[in-house]
Amino acid sequence: DAGVTQSPTHLIKTRGQQVTLRCSPKSGHDTVSWYQQALGQGPQFIFQYYEEEERQRGNFPDRFSGHQFPNYSSELNVNALLLGDSALYLCASSQRDRGHRGYTFGSGTRLTVV
Amino acid sequence: KQEVTQIPAALSVPEGENLVLNCSFTDSAIYNLQWFRQDPGKGLTSLLLIQSSQREQTSGRLNASLDKSSGRSTLYIAASQPGDSATYLCAVYDDKIIFGKGTRLHILP
Repeated sequence: DAGVTQSPTHLIKTRGQQVTLRCSPKSGHDTVSWYQQALGQGPQFIFQYYEEEERQRGNFPDRFSGHQFPNYSSELNVNALLLGDSALYLCASSQRDRGHRGYTFGSGTRLTVV
Repeated sequence: KQEVTQIPAALSVPEGENLVLNCSFTDSAIYNLQWFRQDPGKGLTSLLLIQSSQREQTSGRLNASLDKSSGRSTLYIAASQPGDSATYLCAVYDDKIIFGKGTRLHILP
């Protein structure tokens, strides 16, 4: 049973560019959440998607946007990249009707903005 | 606003010792609490999930406790091994997961 799959694993972008990160949730999970983890910090909540809609959002600017597809996979888009966007981006999936009893995390995408 | 604090930020202990990692949270209205392990540059590995109705969970050498009323959780690691070296993250669930900054653990051979 595949867990959460994220792609790509590593990415280098130039300041001002746009980036798209992808996440496939664990089988049976219908909710996807995205987190940003800067070096030496705990993960920070970006947003959560369920039924193809953004349900909750953390304290991140509108440059961060997302999408969920009918197969529950999700994308995170970041526009006008800043050096400070360099971080590990983690995707977590869960099953909503179980009250989110346990999140499964992917291995992350390491984004470097130069 | 929920805040999660982990103490200590870093810890080095000789192999074989038992140790305790601490986590505190400001709002006791949580659903669950989960402990994760993170190796350098890697994703998160779930260690233990404690549901709000539970007081502790055990897996092998690991034991996690939860006291919602006092806003505290501890992760106990018995007979530590060099392979336990990693960052340990505490996360609480309200309507999303809120993480602490982690405790960087180094087990000395």
